Amino acid sequence: AQSVTQPDIHITVSEGASLELRCNYSYGATPYLFWYVQSPGQGLQLLLKYFSGDTLVQGIKGFEAEFKRSQSSFNLRKPSVHWSDAAEYFCAVGAGREYGNKLVFGAGTILRVKS
Amino acid sequence: AAGVIQSPRHLIKEKRETATLKCYPIPRHDTVYWYQQGPGQDPQFLISFYEKMQSDKGSIPDRFSAQQFSDYHSELNMSSLELGDSALYFCASSPGTSGSNEQFFGPGTRLTVL
Repeated sequence: AQSVTQPDIHITVSEGASLELRCNYSYGATPYLFWYVQSPGQGLQLLLKYFSGDTLVQGIKGFEAEFKRSQSSFNLRKPSVHWSDAAEYFCAVGAGREYGNKLVFGAGTILRVKS
Repeated sequence: AAGVIQSPRHLIKEKRETATLKCYPIPRHDTVYWYQQGPGQDPQFLISFYEKMQSDKGSIPDRFSAQQFSDYHSELNMSSLELGDSALYFCASSPGTSGSNEQFFGPGTRLTVL
C-alpha cells in the first residue's frame, strides 16, 4: 500500500535561513508526488508536483523539491525562509489509477519561523 | 480563475443529527474527491467520483453517503453524527482520472458536532 512519511512533526528556522522538509514515500511504481501547504484554518494549496522528467521541480513561492528514486524521497527546500512561510506542509503521493488516484498524505510538518 | 466551491464553510450540529456538505468542482472537471481532516491530523481520503459514478472508497463510515450529480457537483451526506465526526472536510476536483492530474482543493467545510 502507498504511504508517506514526514519524519519531522515540527521544524523551527530563523527568517532568512534555508529550509529542508523531508518526505519519504512507499509506492510500487513511478509515483506522482505533491507538496501542499496549509495555513491555520485554511485549505490546501499546491506548492509543486512531480510526475516525470527532471527530478528537480520548481514550485510557487520559491520552493523546490528533488525526487530521488534511490532514496524514495521527495524533500522540499527553500533557500531563504520568510515569516509568511510559517504553516503546515503536507507531502502526498498519488495512489494510482487502480486506487482511483486518491492522494495519500503524510502526517505533515509544522514550520515555525522565528525572527 | 474559478476554484472549487464548498458550502457551507462552517457547520455546527448536535450529536445524532444529519449534515449535508456540498462541493462544486471547477468547470469541466469531472472527478471529485472527498477528504476528512481531523484536528491535528493529515487529510484522509473518503470517497471519489468520476462521471457521476463512484470510483473509489476509503475509510468512510457507513453513516456517510455521497453522490455526484449530472452537473458534476457532489454532496456528502452524514447521518447520526458523532463527536468524532468533527473535522475539516475537503473536496477536490480534477479533470479526469489520470494520476498526473492535479487535484484542486476547495477551502473546506468545518463541521463541529456538539
